[in-house]
Amino acid sequence: LAKTTQPISMDSYEGQEVNITCSHNNIATNDYITWYQQFPSQGPRFIIQGYKTKVTNEVASLFIPADRKSSTLSLPRVSLSDTAVYYCLGQVNRDDKIIFGKGTRLHILP
Amino acid sequence: DAGVIQSPRHEVTEMGQEVTLRCKPISGHDYLFWYRQTMMRGLELLIYFNNNVPIDDSGMPEDRFSAKMPNASFSTLKIQPSEPRDSAVYFCASRQRQGRAEAFFGQGTRLTVV
Repeated sequence: LAKTTQPISMDSYEGQEVNITCSHNNIATNDYITWYQQFPSQGPRFIIQGYKTKVTNEVASLFIPADRKSSTLSLPRVSLSDTAVYYCLGQVNRDDKIIFGKGTRLHILP
Repeated sequence: DAGVIQSPRHEVTEMGQEVTLRCKPISGHDYLFWYRQTMMRGLELLIYFNNNVPIDDSGMPEDRFSAKMPNASFSTLKIQPSEPRDSAVYFCASRQRQGRAEAFFGQGTRLTVV
């Protein structure tokens, strides 16, 4: 499984763009990068997934450089409700496990 | 679909008692996962099933923990006997297929063992 490293916590202000970077140096050729979001007292929720370059949906954008050793989750114009823990996962096609690391605790300030 | 349904939402029990947590996955999903979350250890994968068959139970902490999936629409996680250190939020999740498919999580069961 790809080992991922991301900051433990981040603070930002409402209306700002937030970028959370995840390192995954040992990512395998067929691994996808997946991000989940967890609000307090709830289970994690899938946000976005990508293999390379850029992926965008209604919630976030995901940037993955050509070497795929890192990825950046971008949240545009955050609000207080974006306060949550964000997990970066190297999801392995050849192994069906879904393993979560410590995640990044994002705190949005007014 | 109503999503992954877990019951009970909260459980308080005395040390030594048997605890059974229940999960109903999303219909048509092939994979079911049980996780435990605490502040100290984060979100830990306990066991997962594929088509009702346990595939990997290496995350089950000890023999006091057991999980079953008698059919595609139901799974249980049992702790017998329970201990205070088992206090945590237990999540169940299901997924439709291999690879890229996202996992859907239930609301969790908050277990307190006193």
